[in-house]
Amino acid sequence: DTGVSQDPRHKITKRGQNVTFRCDPISEHNRLYWYRQTLGQGPEFLTYFQNEAQLEKSRLLSDRFSAERPKGSFSTLEIQRTEQGDSAMYLCASSSLRGRLGGSYEQYFGPGTRLTVT
Amino acid sequence: AQSVTQLDSHVSVSEGTPVLLRCNYSSSYSPSLFWYVQHPNKGLQLLLKYTSAATLVKGINGFEAEFKKSETSFHLTKPSAHMSDAAEYFCVVETGANNLFFGTGTRLTVIP
Repeated sequence: DTGVSQDPRHKITKRGQNVTFRCDPISEHNRLYWYRQTLGQGPEFLTYFQNEAQLEKSRLLSDRFSAERPKGSFSTLEIQRTEQGDSAMYLCASSSLRGRLGGSYEQYFGPGTRLTVT
Repeated sequence: AQSVTQLDSHVSVSEGTPVLLRCNYSSSYSPSLFWYVQHPNKGLQLLLKYTSAATLVKGINGFEAEFKKSETSFHLTKPSAHMSDAAEYFCVVETGANNLFFGTGTRLTVIP
C-alpha cells in the first residue's frame, strides 16, 4: 500500500497520560499535515511540515501538543497530559511540493487515529 | 480569510435521483476549492478540485461541481445517486498557506 498510513488506528487513554501518534506519508512527499476532527465537524488544521521544518502551527495546537518530522519522512504527534477535550480523530495528510494542476497541492489523507480520553 | 459554508448538514435522496450538495465560499481572491468524501472508517478522498481553470469541474464517480463567482457558490452534483455514494461530504477551500479549511460536512443518505 503506497498511501498515507497512521498508527495506531485507535487509542484509549486515561486523562493525564501522554500519547504519541505516528504518520508515514506517501514516499517522496515533501509536505506533511496534521488535522483534528471532532464528532460532527470537519477536520481542522493543526500544523504542517515541509521536509523536516515545521512551517505553521494553528492556535489549536496548545503547549501540550508537539509534532516532529526528524528526517523529513515520518512524523509524530505527541499530546502530553491528555484531557477529555482531546478526544477526536487525528488525521495526517501529505502532498508533493510540485502542484499537479494549477499550482494547488493535492493532499492525500491517511485513515486517522481515533483518540478517546477517559 | 478564506472559509466555506455547507448549507445542509444532512441530505437524503432516493437511489437513481439527482444529488445536490450546496456550498458557499468566502474569499478575498480567486480561491482553490475542493470536495472531499469520507466513508465510514476510511480516509478522506478527493472528489474534485477547482483551481481557476474551467468553471465546471468533473470529478470521480460521476460527481461534478460548478464554480459560480457571482453567487460565491461551489455546489456538488451528480445526476443519479448510487447506494455507494452514502457518505460524509466536505467542501474545502485552500488558504493562502496551502492549508485546507473544511466545511462542517453534509451527510448524504441514499434510500433504496
